[in-house]
This record gives sequence, C-alpha cells and structure tokens, in this order.
Amino acid sequence: SQKIEQNSEALNIQEGKTATLTCNYTNYSPAYLQWYRQDPGRGPVFLLLIRENEKEKRKERLKVTFDTTLKQSLFHITASQPADSATYLCALEGSSGTYKYIFGTGTRLKVLA
Amino acid sequence: DVKVTQSSRYLVKRTGEKVFLECVQDMDHENMFWYRQDPGLGLRLIYFSYDVKMKEKGDIPEGYSVSREKKERFSLILESASTNQTSMYLCASSSREAGAAGANVLTFGAGSRLTVL
Repeated sequence: SQKIEQNSEALNIQEGKTATLTCNYTNYSPAYLQWYRQDPGRGPVFLLLIRENEKEKRKERLKVTFDTTLKQSLFHITASQPADSATYLCALEGSSGTYKYIFGTGTRLKVLA
Repeated sequence: DVKVTQSSRYLVKRTGEKVFLECVQDMDHENMFWYRQDPGLGLRLIYFSYDVKMKEKGDIPEGYSVSREKKERFSLILESASTNQTSMYLCASSSREAGAAGANVLTFGAGSRLTVL
C-alpha cells in the first residue's frame, strides 16, 4: 500500500543551524511533492511544491530536494530561528487530475534560542 | 484575508447527535476537501469534491457524508456522532487550473475541533 514516512520524533536544533527533515515514500509515483507548515491548533500552510522532473526548489531560507529514485524528499531550513518551530508535513499527489493528496504524519521541529 | 473559513472552531456533541461542519472558500476553487487529523495518524482524507454536486470518497468515508450545493461551500455531516469521531477536522480547497494561483496547492481552514461525549 502507499505509504509516506516522516521522522515522528521531534527534531531539536540550535538557532542558526540548518534543519533537515526527511520524507520517504513507497508504492507511489507522485507527480508533485509538497511541504506544509502547521502550528499547534491551526491548519497547515503551504510552503513549497516540487515537481517530479525537478531536483531542487528554493524559497528564501527554504530548500526542497526530490529524488524519485530514492523515493525521498529532503526539506532544509537554513539559518533557523525559534519562529521556525512548528510541525512540517510532506504531501504527495498522484498524477494530475486525481485531486487526492496523501500526507505524512509530520515532523515537529523545535529551534532552541 | 481569510480564504477558507470553517464555521466552528470548537464543538462538543453527544453520541448519536447529527453534526454539521461547514466550510466556505472565497477563491473560486473547484476542488474542496475534508480531512481529519489525529495524533500519530496524520491527516486522512474523508471526502473530496471536484465540482458542485460532485463528491468522491476518500480513505475513511465511513460514518460521514458531504454536501456541495454551491461552489464555495462544502459541508461535512456526521449522521450519528460517535466517540471515535472525536478529532480535528480540516477543510481545504485547491484550484485545478494550471498556472492559477493555488493550483495543485491546498489552502486549509483553521480547523474544527470536535469532541463527542
């Protein structure tokens, strides 16, 4: 069955360091992979989308990589700040037109001042 | 600047009650979704709709129904609430139009936390 795995354990890092979060998937060939941020008690907020033919995408301090051979995406936050503390979710969509998005359980990131 | 609005942030209902969760989006999106989110299980898709009066089952539709009479509104209905439906419910919308703002990206509401006693 289709499965998305994110490290369920919380990730604690020092302010200023680079945080790297992992998203692995199996039995799936997504056309898109997305990353969302979710704060406690709130809905997820979209951050970045990367397509299957793209290797890397950047937005300010954020970088996403997508390796369809390894079936893995890495999400990096450089120069992390305490305000980056949140849960980060990866999501996959199948071929365009399926409209169904499958989410990982998320990784909680805590940036220590 | 709120784009997806869920009618209730917190609800407490009793077992067997009928529950309506309302969601409205102002972005003219074709697609709308209902997810539930539980600790350790992540977001699971209940139902989605790609057009008015159209609906498709997601991964966990049992015990739920939906209604989409207007493009901007998507309602989730629990016909007879049970304690295992206590959860955070998240509504989302997206556009199907390639290149459109929000295409293939989910915009979520703030969530509705339902407790069934």
